[in-house]
Amino acid sequence: DAGITQSPRYKITETGRQVTLMCHQTWSHSYMFWYRQDLGHGLRLIYYSAAADITDKGEVPDGYVVSRSKTENFPLTLESATRSQTSVYFCASSDYGTATGETQYFGPGTRLLVL
Amino acid sequence: AQSVSQHNHHVILSEAASLELGCNYSYGGTVNLFWYVQYPGQHLQLLLKYFSGDPLVKGIKGFEAEFIKSKFSFNLRKPSVQWSDTAEYFCAVNSNSGGGADGLTFGKGTHLIIQP
Repeated sequence: DAGITQSPRYKITETGRQVTLMCHQTWSHSYMFWYRQDLGHGLRLIYYSAAADITDKGEVPDGYVVSRSKTENFPLTLESATRSQTSVYFCASSDYGTATGETQYFGPGTRLLVL
Repeated sequence: AQSVSQHNHHVILSEAASLELGCNYSYGGTVNLFWYVQYPGQHLQLLLKYFSGDPLVKGIKGFEAEFIKSKFSFNLRKPSVQWSDTAEYFCAVNSNSGGGADGLTFGKGTHLIIQP
């Protein structure tokens, strides 16, 4: 049971470059989420998706783009990376409407450094 | 908008000491409450959760939390900590409106260090 995976686990890029972070879950959960974790801020929601082709903004969406063409994948793209986007990015999923639906399960994270 | 406040950013305890981490939330409606733990270098794991019913919930590894609605609190407790409890602890909340899953609003975390 692979659960939820993220790739790459570590990424170094330069300011202005486009970067895509991948998230894949094997549970067929309907909801998926992207968070960023920064010192002093905890985790903050970037975007979330209720189902394929349905996405919505979270607390800090600026500078990010998401898509969800398949239920199991939820890539996060930084269109033009900035130093302020240096962070640890976590993907999560949940199966709303089931007994455990309100619980979110997290991936291992991607550490992104923007130079 | 929801907000979560964790009172202690850093806590240092000796093994076998009792633990209580404070968490207060701000939200006008019905909420789901969570405690997650992040061990060094690892991803977040669910410790326990409260959706409804008994306000005293028990989680994994001997942790428990009590939801006190009148105080908007969901404090985490453990009667006797171990060195392996050294980690970052996050309190989180989302809406229980029944309208669909909401993203979680997290507190800033409490860094717990257990000294042998």
